[in-house]
Amino acid sequence: EIVLTQSPGTLSLSPGERATLSCRASQSVSSSYLAWYQQKPGQAPRLLIYGASNRATGIPDRFSGSGSGTDFTLTISRLEPEDFAVYFCQQYGNSPPITFGQGTRLDIK
Amino acid sequence: QVHLVQSGPEVKKPGASVRVSCKASGDTFISYGITWVRQAPGQGLEWMGWISNYYGNTDYAQKFQGRVTVTTDTSTTTVYMELRSLRSDDTAVYYCARGSAHRADWHHDYWGQGTLVTVSS
Repeated sequence: EIVLTQSPGTLSLSPGERATLSCRASQSVSSSYLAWYQQKPGQAPRLLIYGASNRATGIPDRFSGSGSGTDFTLTISRLEPEDFAVYFCQQYGNSPPITFGQGTRLDIK
Repeated sequence: QVHLVQSGPEVKKPGASVRVSCKASGDTFISYGITWVRQAPGQGLEWMGWISNYYGNTDYAQKFQGRVTVTTDTSTTTVYMELRSLRSDDTAVYYCARGSAHRADWHHDYWGQGTLVTVSS
């Protein structure tokens, strides 16, 4: 089973700043099958990025994903107030089981 | 656009079973599969299993093998997840989510609203 480790655990930034979130896999993720989700309190996760770098339908272009192998990054170029949430990465290339990272909380500074 | 609507909250005693439903609308039901993911209070996401609405085959996380069953009803476009022998650490929000019809391991673009299952004596 692939273990995904996200860092940092909590990121405190201000609106307008750039956010860089990391997801590291315990072994190489096949075909860059890595996704990113955003979750707000009391809500279901929302797909942002799939295939490491493809934006899901309706996702603003300030969200971008990159990486391959064991190291992946989600970048939010300019934070909007609605971007403060928890972000999870998910691998689906070496599964089942699908595994998720433990999450990064993005807080308003 | 796919809409997934889950059944309401449940309170169960240890040892009981729970069945959560996920009613789908808005796209061709047999063109995708449904995955179940759970989230314990304040915790991360945990994949439980998947069913293909087209083939009807399933795949389950080893942790839940023998305790979970996912079924699909194409006539009502509803997927069901049954979890048996409930324990207190099964207390969580259970989500259904759309995935691939062909493989269990895929990303999930539409999610249900979640169903809180509380296990308590």
